[in-house]
Amino acid sequence: DVKVTQSSRYLVKRTGEKVFLECVQDMDHENMFWYRQDPGLGLRLIYFSYDVKMKEKGDIPEGYSVSREKKERFSLILESASTNQTSMYLCASRLETIRMSGEGPNTGELFFGEGSRLTVL
Amino acid sequence: QKEVEQNSGPLSVPEGAIASLNCTYSDRGSQSFFWYRQYSGKSPELIMSIYSNGDKEDGRFTAQLNKASQYVSLLIRDSQPSDSATYLCAVNEGWSGGSYIPTFGRGTSLIVHP
Repeated sequence: DVKVTQSSRYLVKRTGEKVFLECVQDMDHENMFWYRQDPGLGLRLIYFSYDVKMKEKGDIPEGYSVSREKKERFSLILESASTNQTSMYLCASRLETIRMSGEGPNTGELFFGEGSRLTVL
Repeated sequence: QKEVEQNSGPLSVPEGAIASLNCTYSDRGSQSFFWYRQYSGKSPELIMSIYSNGDKEDGRFTAQLNKASQYVSLLIRDSQPSDSATYLCAVNEGWSGGSYIPTFGRGTSLIVHP
């Protein structure tokens, strides 16, 4: 069974603290993603990684960094947490699209973790 | 800027009715389209994917794609209260680093009342 595990469901941090959000997938997927979800704004891509040690900025990378040293693990780092980073953070993984067989050239379901709700005081 | 647009709702339908959810996208070159369901407090889960123009049916769900109009929809037949959730449209619109990047709409809230 597919499994994406996020290390913490709920975190409360103080402004200026360094925050690590961990995500592990057990499906040997090549692509991994970090989104944040806010009411009325939907899912916004922070960073993604298409392979080990590879990373690309998404739509809102400011204030965040990522690390992917092993294929199964993708970490999101907030170097100095701020109150506007209070949000739900969702990690997702996907089998690399180019090699997917199926109905089209660009298939690829995202499998999401349960989410990490971060509050920055 | 790639965009995926959905009506935020809420869309309220009676039990047993057909719920129709709509989505438009900006990138004419998009090839893959997905519908995710998200219950309150839970993560999104895939319910339908579609890649070719026309209809695709899976149980009570039908996805419809019209690439010329840049429009994708989801029909839910015989709606049940358990279908009450937010439905997210996702389109593989971007390409970076050798992979397609999914862009999500903001979601449509569906309420099915008994």
